[in-house]
Amino acid sequence: GENVEQHPSTLSVQEGDSAVIKCTYSDSASNYFPWYKQELGKGPQLIIDIRSNVGEKKDQRIAVTLNKTAKHFSLHITETQPEDSAVYFCAVPSRGSQGNLIFGKGTKLSVKP
Amino acid sequence: ETGVTQTPRHLVMGMTNKKSLKCEQHLGHNAMYWYKQSAKKPLELMFVYSLEERVENNSVPSRFSPECPNSSHLFLHLHTLQPEDSALYLCASSQRDGPYEQYFGPGTRLTVT
Repeated sequence: GENVEQHPSTLSVQEGDSAVIKCTYSDSASNYFPWYKQELGKGPQLIIDIRSNVGEKKDQRIAVTLNKTAKHFSLHITETQPEDSAVYFCAVPSRGSQGNLIFGKGTKLSVKP
Repeated sequence: ETGVTQTPRHLVMGMTNKKSLKCEQHLGHNAMYWYKQSAKKPLELMFVYSLEERVENNSVPSRFSPECPNSSHLFLHLHTLQPEDSALYLCASSQRDGPYEQYFGPGTRLTVT
């Protein structure tokens, strides 16, 4: 079945620096790549997603890049702020299960003021 | 916060108790999901309902019993649970025929004593 690897598992940055989280996947037919943010005590929230027909998508300080050849996609957060501290999850569609997602193991991001 | 609500937010139960978790979505979606989230583990898909029919059961023990009376409500009935079942139980909803965006509720923190 589909496999998704997420790195790093933890990431600590200084406020104002950039943070990058990377996910690799195995199914070359995957066509949808979302990123979720989970704050303490809350459920995951979709923050940005990208489809396979584009290589990059940006929304203010966050961006996602996709390399279909290498089968990886990354979340970029620029000018990090303390409120960016959370656990971030990538996901890919589950092959053969329309609508299901397979999630990475998560990255705990800490932004130090 | 989101269009998906879950009750209760916290639940403590003994191994011989019977309890139910409730999820309600106000997004007009036709698919609903139950996930289990344990410490240091990825999101584990438990059940999927599409148009009120169960379409997936990921080898979940029978002590967990889902119910979907309509497209807006989802329940998870619990009985004779084990301490290792303690986790955050998350409900999500989406449109089943894509484009896959899943929206999560805040979760129920379950502790089995």
